[in-house]
Order: sequence, then C-alpha cells, then structure tokens
Amino acid sequence: DAGVTQSPTHLIKTRGQQVTLRCSPKSGHDTVSWYQQALGQGPQFIFQYYEEEERQRGNFPDRFSGHQYPNYSSELNVNALLLGDSALYLCASSVDNQETQYFGPGTRLLVL
Amino acid sequence: QQQVKQSPQSLIVQKGGISIINCAYENTAFDYFPWYQQFPGKGPALLIAIRPDVSEKKEGRFTISFNKSAKQFSLHIMDSQPGDSATYFCAASTPGGFKTIFGAGTRLFVKA
Repeated sequence: DAGVTQSPTHLIKTRGQQVTLRCSPKSGHDTVSWYQQALGQGPQFIFQYYEEEERQRGNFPDRFSGHQYPNYSSELNVNALLLGDSALYLCASSVDNQETQYFGPGTRLLVL
Repeated sequence: QQQVKQSPQSLIVQKGGISIINCAYENTAFDYFPWYQQFPGKGPALLIAIRPDVSEKKEGRFTISFNKSAKQFSLHIMDSQPGDSATYFCAASTPGGFKTIFGAGTRLFVKA
C-alpha cells in the first residue's frame, strides 16, 4: 500500500516564475491538505481540498491555488514566486471528516 | 486565536531519561491534538493523538497529558533513546480535520 507521494522532490525556480507541485494521496483517502514548512519552522496550513473543491484555507495569498482531480490527486500552484516562497511543501491526505493525516515526503522549492 | 505555542525550542536528554515537550492553544474549537515526529528530509509522521475528553493517552513509550481547562497538553517520551532524536511538533485540528495548526517544533537530541 503506497503512502502519500509527491513530485518532484526538489525544484529550483527564479523569482516571478510559476510552479506546480503534485500529490497522490494514500490509497482510500479522499481529502488532501497542503502545508508550507519554512526551514526550522512548523508546517503552515495552506488549504484543504475535498470533492475537487477548496474547503478550507489558511492565511496565504491568492498566488497560491490548487486543484483536486476525480482520482483525489492534487496540485499546488504558486504564481509570481517570491524569494520567501522557498520552503518544503508538504501534502497530507486523510479520509473525509477524520482528523488523522498522513504526510508525504515533501517537495523542496528553492526560489532564486 | 489560531496559534499553538510550543516549548522548549530545543531539548537535550540523556539516554534513558524522560523528554517533555509542552504546548498551549487558544481556540477552544480545536478538538483533536496530534503529535508528529519529523526526521531531516522527511515529512512529519503521526506519533500519537488525543481528544479533549481524555486527560491522558499512552502508546508505548509515548504519553500525552491533556489539561482542557488550562488549554495545555504535553508529550512525554519515557526511556528516551538516541533514535528518538528528531523534531517534534504538536498540532491542533478543528472538527473533521478541516484545518490543522502546528506548533513551531522542538528539536530533541538524546545523548548516548
């Protein structure tokens, strides 16, 4: 049983560019949450997707957007990248209305 | 009101000792309180979790103590081992897990 997978593992972008990160949830899970983890900090909640809709959002600007597909996989898109967007981006999956989340290994984004 | 405050930032414990990490929350709407362990380069992994109607939960060497009136909870790691050296995060989730807020983390080092 594969756990949560994310791609790519590492990414280097330039300021102003756009990036798309991908996540496949754990088998049987239908809910995906995205987090940003800056170096030495705790994960910060970006948003949660369920039934292909953004259900809840944290304090992140509209430059951060997402999508969920019918197979429950999800994408995180970040436009107009800033240096401060450099972080580890984590995807977590869960079953609807259950709090237990399982995290993927993350995508390390570096913005130069 | 959405914050989760975690202390200490770092902790050094002798092998066989007890590691104690504390967290405090403000929003009484939170109803699920997990602890995660994270190793460098990996995503957080769920260790143990508790709900506010329970004052203590034990799983192996890990125990959560919960004080609902004080809005505080703590993680105790008994018989700490060098392999426990990692960063630990407390978190708090809203009902259904729609939104999870993490503490800033505690870096634990267990000396052999």
